[in-house]
Amino acid sequence: NAGVTQTPKFQVLKTGQSMTLQCAQDMNHNSMYWYRQDPGMGLRLIYYSASEGTTDKGEVPNGYNVSRLNKREFSLRLESAAPSQTSVYFCASSSTGGGADTQYFGPGTRLTVL
Amino acid sequence: RKEVEQDPGPFNVPEGATVAFNCTYSNSASQSFFWYRQDCRKEPKLLMSVYSSGNEDGRFTAQLNRASQYISLLIRDSKLSDSATYLCVVNRDNYGQNFVFGPGTRLSVLP
Repeated sequence: NAGVTQTPKFQVLKTGQSMTLQCAQDMNHNSMYWYRQDPGMGLRLIYYSASEGTTDKGEVPNGYNVSRLNKREFSLRLESAAPSQTSVYFCASSSTGGGADTQYFGPGTRLTVL
Repeated sequence: RKEVEQDPGPFNVPEGATVAFNCTYSNSASQSFFWYRQDCRKEPKLLMSVYSSGNEDGRFTAQLNRASQYISLLIRDSKLSDSATYLCVVNRDNYGQNFVFGPGTRLSVLP
C-alpha cells in the first residue's frame, strides 16, 4: 500500500501561471482533503471532499479549485498563482470523514510562486 | 486568539529526560483531540488520540482537561528519534472537515 501519494514534490511558478496538484489514495477512503501549511501556523483546510462526487470549501478556498475525479483521486488547481500561495500543500484522506477518524497525509508539495 | 494554541518551542532536552507539552483550545464544544507528529520536511502522522480518561502508549501519555480546555502530552525517557514537531489537533464536531491544527511545538532531543 502506497497510502496517499502526491505529485509533484516541488514546483516553482511565476505569478499568473496555473498548475494542478495531484493526489491519490489506495486505502479505499471516502473522504479527502487539501491543506496548506505556512510557517508558524497550523495546517489550514482549503477544500475537502466528504465522498466521491462532492466537494466543499474549507477555511481558505480563494484562488483554488478542486476535482474529485473518482474515489481515489482528488486534485487541486491554482488558476492564476500568486506569491501568497507559496506554501507546502498536503493532501489527506480519512476512512469515513468522521471527527474521530485518523487523517492520513501525503508527503506534500512545496510550491514557490515568484 | 487562535483556536488552538501551543508553545512553539523549541524544547531542547537531553536523552532520557521527561518533557511535557501543553495545548489550549478555545472552542468548548470541541469533540475529539489528537497529537500528531511531524518530522522535518515530512507529513504529519497520528501519534495518539486523546481520551477524557487519559491514555498511555508506551513512553507517551496524553491527558485532556475539558474544564480548563487544555491537552497535554508527556514523553518519558526521551530518545533522539523523538525529535520532531508535535501538533495538537482538535475536532470541533463530528465532521472530518473541522479539524483545527495547532502550529506545533518543536522538540529536539540532544545526545
